Amino acid sequence: EDQVTQSPEALRLQEGESSSLNCSYTVSGLRGLFWYRQDPGKGPEFLFTLYSAGEEKEKERLKATLTKKESFLHITAPKPEDSATYLCAVRVFSGGYNKLIFGAGTRLAVHP
Amino acid sequence: GAVVSQHPSWVICKSGTSVKIECRSLDFQATTMFWYRQFPKQSLMLMATSNEGSKATYEQGVEKDKFLINHASLTLSTLTVTSAHPEDSSFYICSARESGGGGGYTFGSGTRLTVV
Repeated sequence: EDQVTQSPEALRLQEGESSSLNCSYTVSGLRGLFWYRQDPGKGPEFLFTLYSAGEEKEKERLKATLTKKESFLHITAPKPEDSATYLCAVRVFSGGYNKLIFGAGTRLAVHP
Repeated sequence: GAVVSQHPSWVICKSGTSVKIECRSLDFQATTMFWYRQFPKQSLMLMATSNEGSKATYEQGVEKDKFLINHASLTLSTLTVTSAHPEDSSFYICSARESGGGGGYTFGSGTRLTVV
Protein backbone atom coordinates (compact mmCIF):
# COMPACT_ATOMS: atom_id res chain seq x y z
CA GLU A 1 0.00 0.00 0.00
CA ASP A 2 1.27 3.45 -0.91
CA GLN A 3 2.10 5.42 2.22
CA VAL A 4 3.56 8.78 3.18
CA THR A 5 4.78 9.55 6.69
CA GLN A 6 5.90 12.95 7.88
CA SER A 7 7.88 13.79 11.00
CA PRO A 8 7.81 15.46 13.34
CA GLU A 9 4.09 16.16 13.68
CA ALA A 10 4.84 19.56 15.16
CA LEU A 11 8.00 21.63 15.44
CA ARG A 12 8.67 24.78 17.38
CA LEU A 13 11.69 26.85 16.42
CA GLN A 14 13.20 30.10 17.48
CA GLU A 15 13.69 32.64 14.73
CA GLY A 16 16.98 31.87 13.02
CA GLU A 17 17.13 28.27 14.28
CA SER A 18 17.56 26.04 11.23
CA SER A 19 15.98 22.58 11.08
CA SER A 20 14.70 19.87 8.76
CA LEU A 21 11.36 18.22 8.16
CA ASN A 22 11.19 14.61 7.04
CA CYS A 23 8.92 12.84 4.58
CA SER A 24 9.37 9.11 4.16
CA TYR A 25 7.43 7.20 1.56
CA THR A 26 6.59 3.71 0.41
CA VAL A 27 5.10 3.63 -3.05
CA SER A 28 4.98 1.17 -5.89
CA GLY A 29 6.06 3.68 -8.48
CA LEU A 30 7.01 7.24 -7.63
CA ARG A 31 6.01 9.81 -10.22
CA GLY A 32 7.11 12.82 -8.29
CA LEU A 33 7.27 14.08 -4.72
CA PHE A 34 5.66 17.39 -3.89
CA TRP A 35 6.04 19.82 -1.01
CA TYR A 36 3.28 22.25 -0.13
CA ARG A 37 2.77 24.92 2.49
CA GLN A 38 -0.68 25.32 4.03
CA ASP A 39 -1.82 28.22 6.16
CA PRO A 40 -4.86 27.80 8.45
CA GLY A 41 -8.14 27.86 6.53
CA LYS A 42 -6.40 28.00 3.16
CA GLY A 43 -5.60 25.61 0.37
CA PRO A 44 -2.07 24.25 -0.02
CA GLU A 45 0.48 26.43 -1.78
CA PHE A 46 2.92 24.68 -4.09
CA LEU A 47 6.58 24.78 -3.12
CA PHE A 48 8.60 22.09 -4.93
CA THR A 49 8.44 19.01 -7.10
CA LEU A 50 11.24 16.43 -7.02
CA TYR A 51 11.43 13.53 -9.41
CA SER A 52 14.62 11.57 -8.87
CA ALA A 53 16.99 10.61 -6.06
CA GLY A 54 19.70 13.18 -5.58
CA GLU A 55 17.60 16.04 -6.87
CA GLU A 56 17.56 19.28 -4.87
CA LYS A 57 15.54 22.46 -5.20
CA GLU A 58 15.75 25.76 -3.35
CA LYS A 59 13.48 28.70 -2.78
CA GLU A 60 14.46 31.47 -0.40
CA ARG A 61 15.01 29.83 3.01
CA LEU A 62 13.72 26.43 1.90
CA LYS A 63 15.61 23.57 0.30
CA ALA A 64 14.09 20.23 -0.63
CA THR A 65 16.09 17.06 -1.20
CA LEU A 66 15.11 13.57 -2.31
CA THR A 67 16.46 10.06 -1.79
CA LYS A 68 14.96 6.73 -2.80
CA LYS A 69 13.04 6.47 0.47
CA GLU A 70 12.59 9.96 1.84
CA SER A 71 12.64 13.67 1.28
CA PHE A 72 13.79 16.47 3.53
CA LEU A 73 12.66 20.05 3.65
CA HIS A 74 15.46 22.12 5.14
CA ILE A 75 14.58 25.49 6.60
CA THR A 76 17.50 27.84 7.05
CA ALA A 77 17.27 30.74 9.48
CA PRO A 78 13.46 30.64 9.63
CA LYS A 79 11.33 33.69 10.27
CA PRO A 80 7.93 33.87 12.00
CA GLU A 81 6.24 34.16 8.60
CA ASP A 82 7.47 30.64 7.81
CA SER A 83 5.02 29.32 10.41
CA ALA A 84 2.58 27.00 8.62
CA THR A 85 1.83 23.35 8.04
CA TYR A 86 4.16 21.75 5.51
CA LEU A 87 2.67 18.92 3.52
CA CYS A 88 4.47 16.26 1.54
CA ALA A 89 2.72 14.31 -1.21
CA VAL A 90 3.71 11.60 -3.65
CA ARG A 91 2.21 11.13 -7.07
CA VAL A 92 1.31 7.59 -7.99
CA PHE A 93 -0.51 5.98 -10.87
CA SER A 94 -3.60 4.23 -9.60
CA GLY A 95 -6.98 3.39 -11.05
CA GLY A 96 -5.96 4.74 -14.41
CA TYR A 97 -4.92 8.16 -13.13
CA ASN A 98 -2.05 9.99 -11.56
CA LYS A 99 -3.04 11.14 -8.11
CA LEU A 100 -1.44 12.62 -5.01
CA ILE A 101 -1.20 10.86 -1.66
CA PHE A 102 -0.52 13.27 1.19
CA GLY A 103 1.27 12.85 4.47
CA ALA A 104 -0.29 14.21 7.65
CA GLY A 105 1.94 17.28 7.60
CA THR A 106 4.34 19.00 9.99
CA ARG A 107 3.00 22.02 11.86
CA LEU A 108 5.84 24.50 12.13
CA ALA A 109 5.79 27.41 14.56
CA VAL A 110 8.61 29.94 14.43
CA HIS A 111 8.81 32.30 17.37
CA PRO A 112 10.65 35.64 17.46
CA GLY B 1 1.01 31.30 -12.57
CA ALA B 2 -1.90 28.90 -12.61
CA VAL B 3 -4.85 29.95 -10.46
CA VAL B 4 -7.71 27.82 -9.19
CA SER B 5 -10.73 29.63 -7.81
CA GLN B 6 -13.05 27.87 -5.37
CA HIS B 7 -16.43 29.19 -4.29
CA PRO B 8 -17.89 29.64 -1.76
CA SER B 9 -15.13 29.93 0.81
CA TRP B 10 -17.51 28.99 3.58
CA VAL B 11 -21.11 27.85 3.82
CA ILE B 12 -23.51 26.92 6.60
CA CYS B 13 -26.48 24.76 5.70
CA LYS B 14 -29.25 22.91 7.45
CA SER B 15 -29.17 19.18 7.83
CA GLY B 16 -30.91 17.49 4.90
CA THR B 17 -30.21 20.20 2.34
CA SER B 18 -27.72 20.10 -0.53
CA VAL B 19 -24.72 22.32 -1.10
CA LYS B 20 -22.81 22.95 -4.32
CA ILE B 21 -19.14 23.93 -4.39
CA GLU B 22 -17.51 25.28 -7.55
CA CYS B 23 -13.93 24.93 -8.67
CA ARG B 24 -12.64 26.93 -11.63
CA SER B 25 -9.29 27.02 -13.35
CA LEU B 26 -8.96 30.69 -14.22
CA ASP B 27 -6.13 30.85 -16.71
CA PHE B 28 -5.67 27.30 -17.91
CA GLN B 29 -7.65 24.31 -19.04
CA ALA B 30 -7.92 21.31 -16.78
CA THR B 31 -9.20 18.02 -18.15
CA THR B 32 -8.79 16.56 -14.69
CA MET B 33 -9.57 18.10 -11.34
CA PHE B 34 -9.37 16.57 -7.89
CA TRP B 35 -11.57 16.91 -4.82
CA TYR B 36 -10.17 16.50 -1.32
CA ARG B 37 -11.56 16.57 2.17
CA GLN B 38 -9.62 17.70 5.20
CA PHE B 39 -10.56 17.32 8.86
CA PRO B 40 -8.99 19.59 11.51
CA LYS B 41 -5.29 18.94 11.97
CA GLN B 42 -5.40 16.10 9.49
CA SER B 43 -4.11 15.81 5.98
CA LEU B 44 -5.91 15.95 2.68
CA MET B 45 -7.82 12.84 1.70
CA LEU B 46 -8.60 12.41 -1.97
CA MET B 47 -12.31 11.92 -2.51
CA ALA B 48 -12.57 11.74 -6.27
CA THR B 49 -10.97 12.56 -9.57
CA SER B 50 -13.14 14.68 -11.82
CA ASN B 51 -12.84 14.22 -15.57
CA GLU B 52 -14.19 16.62 -18.15
CA GLY B 53 -16.99 15.05 -20.12
CA SER B 54 -17.06 11.76 -18.26
CA LYS B 55 -17.95 10.24 -14.92
CA ALA B 56 -15.82 10.99 -11.90
CA THR B 57 -13.66 8.32 -10.34
CA TYR B 58 -14.34 7.97 -6.62
CA GLU B 59 -11.92 6.71 -3.99
CA GLN B 60 -12.81 3.69 -1.95
CA GLY B 61 -15.28 4.50 0.80
CA VAL B 62 -16.59 7.71 -0.77
CA GLU B 63 -20.32 7.61 -1.50
CA LYS B 64 -20.99 8.51 -5.11
CA ASP B 65 -24.63 9.38 -4.48
CA LYS B 66 -23.78 11.69 -1.62
CA PHE B 67 -20.93 13.58 -3.27
CA LEU B 68 -22.02 14.36 -6.81
CA ILE B 69 -19.30 15.61 -9.11
CA ASN B 70 -19.85 17.30 -12.45
CA HIS B 71 -17.04 18.41 -14.75
CA ALA B 72 -18.98 20.04 -17.55
CA SER B 73 -16.21 22.13 -19.08
CA LEU B 74 -12.42 22.34 -19.20
CA THR B 75 -12.45 25.06 -16.56
CA LEU B 76 -15.22 24.11 -14.16
CA SER B 77 -15.88 21.22 -11.81
CA THR B 78 -18.58 21.16 -9.15
CA LEU B 79 -19.04 19.07 -6.01
CA THR B 80 -22.56 18.78 -4.60
CA VAL B 81 -22.97 17.43 -1.11
CA THR B 82 -26.47 15.99 -1.12
CA SER B 83 -28.68 15.59 1.94
CA ALA B 84 -25.93 16.98 4.11
CA HIS B 85 -25.54 15.86 7.71
CA PRO B 86 -23.37 17.25 10.52
CA GLU B 87 -20.75 14.55 9.90
CA ASP B 88 -20.24 16.02 6.41
CA SER B 89 -18.93 19.21 8.00
CA SER B 90 -15.37 19.57 6.83
CA PHE B 91 -12.94 21.57 4.70
CA TYR B 92 -13.29 20.69 1.01
CA ILE B 93 -10.49 21.57 -1.40
CA CYS B 94 -10.18 21.15 -5.15
CA SER B 95 -7.05 21.08 -7.28
CA ALA B 96 -6.05 20.97 -10.91
CA ARG B 97 -2.85 20.56 -12.85
CA GLU B 98 -1.97 22.63 -15.84
CA SER B 99 -0.70 20.58 -18.73
CA GLY B 100 2.99 21.24 -19.09
CA GLY B 101 2.89 23.37 -15.99
CA GLY B 102 6.10 22.17 -14.43
CA GLY B 103 4.56 19.40 -12.39
CA GLY B 104 2.80 21.35 -9.65
CA TYR B 105 -0.82 20.82 -8.77
CA THR B 106 -2.62 24.07 -8.01
CA PHE B 107 -5.13 24.09 -5.19
CA GLY B 108 -8.17 26.22 -4.57
CA SER B 109 -8.55 28.15 -1.34
CA GLY B 110 -10.97 25.63 0.09
CA THR B 111 -14.58 25.64 1.27
CA ARG B 112 -15.48 25.32 4.94
CA LEU B 113 -18.80 23.46 5.13
CA THR B 114 -20.74 23.48 8.38
CA VAL B 115 -23.95 21.47 8.57
CA VAL B 116 -26.24 22.39 11.46
